[in-house]
Amino acid sequence: DAGVIQSPRHEVTEMGQEVTLRCKPISGHNSLFWYRQTMMRGLELLIYFNNNVPIDDSGMPEDRFSAKMPNASFSTLKIQPSEPRDSAVYFCASSAPKGGANTGELFFGEGSRLTVL
Amino acid sequence: SQKIEQNSEALNIQEGKTATLTCNYTNYSPAYLQWYRQDPGRGPVFLLLIRENEKEKRKERLKVTFDTTLKQSLFHITASQPADSATYLCALEEAFDYKLSFGAGTTVTVRA
Repeated sequence: DAGVIQSPRHEVTEMGQEVTLRCKPISGHNSLFWYRQTMMRGLELLIYFNNNVPIDDSGMPEDRFSAKMPNASFSTLKIQPSEPRDSAVYFCASSAPKGGANTGELFFGEGSRLTVL
Repeated sequence: SQKIEQNSEALNIQEGKTATLTCNYTNYSPAYLQWYRQDPGRGPVFLLLIRENEKEKRKERLKVTFDTTLKQSLFHITASQPADSATYLCALEEAFDYKLSFGAGTTVTVRA
């Protein structure tokens, strides 16, 4: 398996523009997570899905952020309008159903580095 | 409020020595505690998981301990090598919750 695939790897945009980050989880994984990482705040959980359903979006900073998972193999995180303080690395991660040998460890993508000017 | 605290300072050690990292938590009742490694510009990679009813777990040169009374986990890298240089993150998951909450990480540098 190719692992969790994120795109774009780097995005530079201007304040006010819409940003869409994409994620393809590992096939067979039923949980998907979006994290944001900054030097100041570390890794913060934004939202997670289980079986394509959003379970907890309490980490989404504000209404400018939205996430969707239309099917088991694709998710998007959208920021509209973007602001300079949104600059960070955004990670997508997936995990397999728990039980047996699977205990819920996360498999991360390589991240999308967002810079908002 | 809930907090996960790791060694506040970066760790610099000589090759061959043992690196010991700490992870302390408050206001959590974790069912699982996990450790991840993160290299610059890359996503975190899972290393080890330890359950609340386990005291110690080993994997090759890595050892993790978990003390729910002290609310602390220790992560040891024995016979360290320059290739072990990275940031190490601890993460907690509470029972019946799929969320993993991460500490800020400790950066380890192993000198040849």
